[in-house]
Amino acid sequence: KAGVTQTPRYLIKTRGQQVTLSCSPISGHRSVSWYQQTPGQGLQFLFEYFSETQRNKGNFPGRFSGRQFSNSRSEMNVSTLELGDSALYLCASSLDRGIGDTQYFGPGTRLTVL
Amino acid sequence: AQRVTQPEKLLSVFKGAPVELKCNYSYSGSPELFWYVQYSRQRLQLLLRHISRESIKGFTADLNKGETSFHLKKPFAQEEDSAMYYCALRSATNKLIFGTGTLLAVQP
Repeated sequence: KAGVTQTPRYLIKTRGQQVTLSCSPISGHRSVSWYQQTPGQGLQFLFEYFSETQRNKGNFPGRFSGRQFSNSRSEMNVSTLELGDSALYLCASSLDRGIGDTQYFGPGTRLTVL
Repeated sequence: AQRVTQPEKLLSVFKGAPVELKCNYSYSGSPELFWYVQYSRQRLQLLLRHISRESIKGFTADLNKGETSFHLKKPFAQEEDSAMYYCALRSATNKLIFGTGTLLAVQP
């Protein structure tokens, strides 16, 4: 099976702009989670989508949003970009089978905000 | 509070030496714990999960509920083990809570 894919791999934006990142989960996986990875804060959970519904949300401002489509593909949007949003954004998918469920990660999108 | 603590930012050992990467957790309930590894320029990938009680690439980890620990061990380190290791706890809401990671450097 193909792994989790994320596009684009790299992005450079300026403050105030908005950005959309895309994630394609492993075939058959219905849960998609997003994480932000920075040197200072490490890996932090953003949100999770399941069956096109946001099921779980981390402690990030409302500028961070997402959605999931009927084919389980997910997008993440960040509006009014700030310098501190520069990070590696990781997407992970899982079968969502309860105990023993494992999240598999994509390669990430490296976002740089200038 | 749900928390994962990895006290060492960097662990440097020589090839052939034993390795122990420490992980402690705080969680009310039955935890599900994982070790993820990130090799240079590669994606974060699952190494071990406690529920499987398996050994991968010579690494093992035992869940100690009394000490709330899930330390990762390997008897003889190899240079190819050099990577960033993250301990993670899966919450009841399917959220992964990560530790800050430990960089393992295996010297020749």
